[in-house]
Amino acid sequence: DGGITQSPKYLFRKEGQNVTLSCEQNLNHDAMYWYRQDPGQGLRLIYYSQIVNDFQKGDIAEGYSVSREKKESFPLTVTSAQKNPTAFYLCASSISPGANYGYTFGSGTRLTVV
Amino acid sequence: RKEVEQDPGPFNVPEGATVAFNCTYSNSASQSFFWYRQDCRKEPKLLMSVYSSGNEDGRFTAQLNRASQYISLLIRDSKLSDSATYLCVGLTDSWGKLQFGAGTQVVVTP
Repeated sequence: DGGITQSPKYLFRKEGQNVTLSCEQNLNHDAMYWYRQDPGQGLRLIYYSQIVNDFQKGDIAEGYSVSREKKESFPLTVTSAQKNPTAFYLCASSISPGANYGYTFGSGTRLTVV
Repeated sequence: RKEVEQDPGPFNVPEGATVAFNCTYSNSASQSFFWYRQDCRKEPKLLMSVYSSGNEDGRFTAQLNRASQYISLLIRDSKLSDSATYLCVGLTDSWGKLQFGAGTQVVVTP
């Protein structure tokens, strides 16, 4: 079955450490997105990619980095520069940018700073 | 001001009753809208798209009022399994950027 797989489900990060969240999709979607969700807030866009080898900053890109070397994969690195990384991270994809079909989401990664 | 605003609730609804709630949006250029359902500690899942003429999917009805810039969702004959947070989402530009509201919590009680 096609879908989006995020791993790990739970991740613990020490202060000053970089961590990478994985996102893989087999839906053949062109566009992929990373969102962050904090309690009581809507999803906020971190980075997005419309096509392989291209990505753009979203609303809260500081302290994060991404790559899009393959259509199927869009990993997110949370760097030590991100001062408040504890959150629920959601990866999503859509068949094409601007498609009126909405997004398909992965099951998310919960990141906690310890 | 947030681009998409929702009443956080919770809306406590007896099983079998009807519940309706709105969300407002500030960007008049928003092209399309969606309702997503999010269960506790899970990912959002697309519930339905919202069309200008309104649309219905079983017990769920969505309406779009562009003049007043709000979207509504109505749930009839509520089931216990309808308990969730409902996210209002607007598509604001051509590359597909979605603006998410913070969600409205619905709690269906026996």
